[in-house]
Amino acid sequence: EDKVVQSPLSLVVHEGDTVTLNCSYEVTNFRSLLWYKQEKKAPTFLFMLTSSGIEKKSGRLSSILDKKELFSILNITATQTGDSAVYLCAARTSGTYKYIFGTGTRLKVLA
Amino acid sequence: SQTIHQWPATLVQPVGSPLSLECTVEGTSNPNLYWYRQAAGRGLQLLFYSVGIGQISSEVPQNLSASRPQDRQFILSSKKLLLSDSGFYLCAWSVGDKMNTEAFFGQGTRLTVV
Repeated sequence: EDKVVQSPLSLVVHEGDTVTLNCSYEVTNFRSLLWYKQEKKAPTFLFMLTSSGIEKKSGRLSSILDKKELFSILNITATQTGDSAVYLCAARTSGTYKYIFGTGTRLKVLA
Repeated sequence: SQTIHQWPATLVQPVGSPLSLECTVEGTSNPNLYWYRQAAGRGLQLLFYSVGIGQISSEVPQNLSASRPQDRQFILSSKKLLLSDSGFYLCAWSVGDKMNTEAFFGQGTRLTVV
């Protein structure tokens, strides 16, 4: 059975802290790993990773994929209150075009 | 540019009543379409996906069904709602013939079954 697991489930930090969110996956015909941010309603896309060891970066957010160990991490440096959200990772499979999502990590950043 | 419309935004329905949630995509053709459900504080559970008109794949056996009567229209239905059907329902689409692509989400429907 395809499975994506995220940890921790929730996290409370103070502004300025750095956080690392984890995502491990076991899916058939893995194609890519995606990260999303969900604040209230629609998840918004952050990164898509297809190759091991190549870091994707956008401002204070960065992510990397390890296809040998089947995991990805999302780093957020110098956190701000606006980073408070649920962060979702998803594994995309080839052939079936499915996106399998994890349970999400709820991040709360305190001022 | 492409847009996705999902309605209604909120819905309160009694147990045993029918359900119909609609999702339409504009600005693209032959998209892959998805229905997800999100329980409070949880991740997204894939319910159905479709790679073409009339082609529906079900991921979780349950009280719901999906249909794709037109290329860019995806409908989630139930004949008789259960309390356990309450949740946040999200429709999404991705480019049909592109493997390395993200999914784009609608604004969701919050369904409360009472």
